[in-house]
Amino acid sequence: AQSVTQPDIHITVSEGASLELRCNYSYGATPYLFWYVQSPGQGLQLLLKYFSGDTLVQGIKGFEAEFKRSQSSFNLRKPSVHWSDAAEYFCAVGARGTASKLTFGTGTRLQVTL
Amino acid sequence: EPEVTQTPSHQVTQMGQEVILRCVPISNHLYFYWYRQILGQKVEFLVSFYNNEISEKSEIFDDQFSVERPDGSNFTLKIRSTKLEDSAMYFCASSARTTSYEQYFGPGTRLTVT
Repeated sequence: AQSVTQPDIHITVSEGASLELRCNYSYGATPYLFWYVQSPGQGLQLLLKYFSGDTLVQGIKGFEAEFKRSQSSFNLRKPSVHWSDAAEYFCAVGARGTASKLTFGTGTRLQVTL
Repeated sequence: EPEVTQTPSHQVTQMGQEVILRCVPISNHLYFYWYRQILGQKVEFLVSFYNNEISEKSEIFDDQFSVERPDGSNFTLKIRSTKLEDSAMYFCASSARTTSYEQYFGPGTRLTVT
């Protein structure tokens, strides 16, 4: 069964500092990988996705993520965090080539200090 | 930009009552999903729907739950007899038949069962 682990429940960074949110997955083959962001009281917005090709993917709002097969990881990064990035971030995995369910991690809450 | 919409944004109901949560997926999408998020927990898959039938469902999706696409635009989730533990945020999502089948989420309906 597929699963996702986000080991950091809560991270605080200063505005302007760099950010890395960790995500590890368990899946029998190469999965589809996604990062979603949820602002308070809002739905889930897709930040970026990986399904093939270049293992470094670019997303919206200046975010990027790198797929590392050897480490079963898909960490999210941003070089300089803005106060508006404060939100909850979810990593998710889906089966390749299908429209099947997404399995989410437990999320990482990002707090940004000024 | 097209988006998934959900109504109502907040529903309060008494235990044992039936509720219907409504979603309007993105118009050219073919795959539809319901997920739920109990407060403070991760997003969990409930059911996926394609070609007017359920494609996949989780163990959470028991006989109390049903889904329907009553017309060409709406996608509904019905809970027949609500329990306290059904209190959660319910998200609808939809995806197109693309390479990665990325899912686009609505803003959610917060269901409170008293």
